[in-house]
Amino acid sequence: AQSVAQPEDQVNVAEGNPLTVKCTYSVSGNPYLFWYVQYPNRGLQFLLKYITGDNLVKGSYGFEAEFNKSQTSFHLKKPSALVSDSALYFCAVRDGLGGSYIPTFGRGTSLIVHP
Amino acid sequence: KAGVTQTPRYLIKTRGQQVTLSCSPISGHRSVSWYQQTPGQGLQFLFEYFSETQRNKGNFPGRFSGRQFSNSRSEMNVSTLELGDSALYLCASSLGTGGGNQPQHFGDGTRLSIL
Repeated sequence: AQSVAQPEDQVNVAEGNPLTVKCTYSVSGNPYLFWYVQYPNRGLQFLLKYITGDNLVKGSYGFEAEFNKSQTSFHLKKPSALVSDSALYFCAVRDGLGGSYIPTFGRGTSLIVHP
Repeated sequence: KAGVTQTPRYLIKTRGQQVTLSCSPISGHRSVSWYQQTPGQGLQFLFEYFSETQRNKGNFPGRFSGRQFSNSRSEMNVSTLELGDSALYLCASSLGTGGGNQPQHFGDGTRLSIL
């Protein structure tokens, strides 16, 4: 079975400060990990993914994520938050060694960046 | 390159009616997945189609059905609508089938309201 948890429903950060949105996962095999962002009345947009290789993955809009196998985490980060980063963020996992081909999404974390 | 297109964007129906939603994937994408998004349940996987065949199915009743055409366009049908079917229905396309390492590309969804 595979699962993903986003422990925070909401994250508040001041503009210009670094931000972190947390994600932990559980899979039987190797994880394929993804981050998506959703703006109001829009679909999800792909930000970045980890399949294999370097633990630090860089993605769109200045976001990056660090894969930590021992802690089974894939936290999303950005060095300097913008008000326009305010949105709903989803972490997703697929088992890369078969198992369920259905991706599992977290419940989402609402990021609010204050001016 | 055009993105994933979902029609209609908004739909209002009454209990007991049926509805058909449409999704046109990104050109060249053969996998189309459908999700239901609600505030209480988050993103829930409905089903995935690849090359006109249903590859994966989530835990939804038989009232929810879908199909995919030879041009990869997909439709989702919900019969005997219930109040609880009110949700944002998202379609996502990708190059490979669900078990691959490619990200999904989402449309902006169809907002279905049941009165």
